[in-house]
Amino acid sequence: QSVLTQPPSVSGAPGQRVTISCSGSSSNIGAGYDVHWYQQLPGSAPKLLIYNYINRPSGVPGRFSGSRSGTSASLAITGLQADDEADYYCQSYDRSLSGRWVFGGGTKLTVL
Amino acid sequence: EVQLVESGGGLVQPGRSLRLSCAASGFSFRQFQMTWVRQAPGKGLEWISYISSGGGNIYYADSVKGRFTISRDNAKNSLYLQMSSLRVEDTAVYYCARGDASGNFESPFDPWGQGTLVTVSS
Repeated sequence: QSVLTQPPSVSGAPGQRVTISCSGSSSNIGAGYDVHWYQQLPGSAPKLLIYNYINRPSGVPGRFSGSRSGTSASLAITGLQADDEADYYCQSYDRSLSGRWVFGGGTKLTVL
Repeated sequence: EVQLVESGGGLVQPGRSLRLSCAASGFSFRQFQMTWVRQAPGKGLEWISYISSGGGNIYYADSVKGRFTISRDNAKNSLYLQMSSLRVEDTAVYYCARGDASGNFESPFDPWGQGTLVTVSS
């Protein structure tokens, strides 16, 4: 079981908007640590998509955006495209002794 | 171009050892903290080990503590993961990834290597 909780799957039609949630606790997101999002296309390595909750690295389209609310973070994708179909992971730092850097379990995005 | 290239994966029997390498290029390797992340077949991402830029601070996930050893050679721009007492459940793609140069634990992992597959099976 992952320290950060994400829905296993989301789906949407081309052009639509979807959101992916990432829920944490008082030892990670609730403690104020930054949340990052990664996109993993089929057969590829993860790629940084959003960092520090809301920032996009150079080259990431503006269709991808992040937000924060309390002990949760969210990733929104607007104007869905077929090549957005991928696994998405949130990640943060955890101050507990049992784990340092933690990931969500991943969310599979299906473009219908 | 910033690049990380892992090598050293393969098929190994339970209880044996294996050493993974990660060759870095396109940036000043000695300034950056580095980490290893693995992904079991069909599963999610799992952080397993971290090393600071100078190698003085090292952390492990409980799942590998006492069996895996992370190290780096800044003169060779290389990161390593020595894996011993391997178990079937260590089967995964192993990725190296870069942190930042300030030692900030909260920094994202960027970029990632392409990964190297380790299969532990008899």
